[in-house]
Amino acid sequence: KAGVTQTPRYLIKTRGQQVTLSCSPISGHRSVSWYQQTPGQGLQFLFEYFSETQRNKGNFPGRFSGRQFSNSRSEMNVSTLELGDSALYLCASSPEMTGSTEAFFGQGTRLTVV
Amino acid sequence: EDQVTQSPEALRLQEGESSSLNCSYTVSGLRGLFWYRQDPGKGPEFLFTLYSAGEEKEKERLKATLTKKESFLHITAPKPEDSATYLCAVRGGSNYKLTFGKGTLLTVNP
Repeated sequence: KAGVTQTPRYLIKTRGQQVTLSCSPISGHRSVSWYQQTPGQGLQFLFEYFSETQRNKGNFPGRFSGRQFSNSRSEMNVSTLELGDSALYLCASSPEMTGSTEAFFGQGTRLTVV
Repeated sequence: EDQVTQSPEALRLQEGESSSLNCSYTVSGLRGLFWYRQDPGKGPEFLFTLYSAGEEKEKERLKATLTKKESFLHITAPKPEDSATYLCAVRGGSNYKLTFGKGTLLTVNP
């Protein structure tokens, strides 16, 4: 069974640009969540989607947005990039949206903003 | 707000030297406590889910336990390939997001 697939694996962008990251969940999983990982802050929750609806949102500015498609694939977008947005962006999928269900992570997208 | 604190931040062991990692948590209505392993440059790899106090799970040299306030990840006779960052996370209440600790960086020397 294929795992969570994130593309691209690496990105270098210039300050002020925008970027779109993609996540394909494990087949049959309907919940997709996104996290930002930095050395100083660790893993921080961005948002979660279930059945194409955003169910939860973390404490990030509106420049961070996302969506989920009918096939459960998800994208996140960051507009007007800042240097501080450089991080590893991780996507995780779960079969359903219940608190006790474990989440399986992809390999992440390493975003560098210069 | 849910909180997770992991200690120590870093741990260096000799091969075969058993030890434990700690995860203290504050959560309203624990729905699950999760342990992950993360290698450099990779995404977290799921290890265990614990749901209620007293529960224990084992996998190879790893054993996870849970009380009402903390969880321990016991590593028995570790090998160099066990070197990684171990992350603890909780889900609680009606908010389904995972709240992570900062992790413990484990180094096992041969």
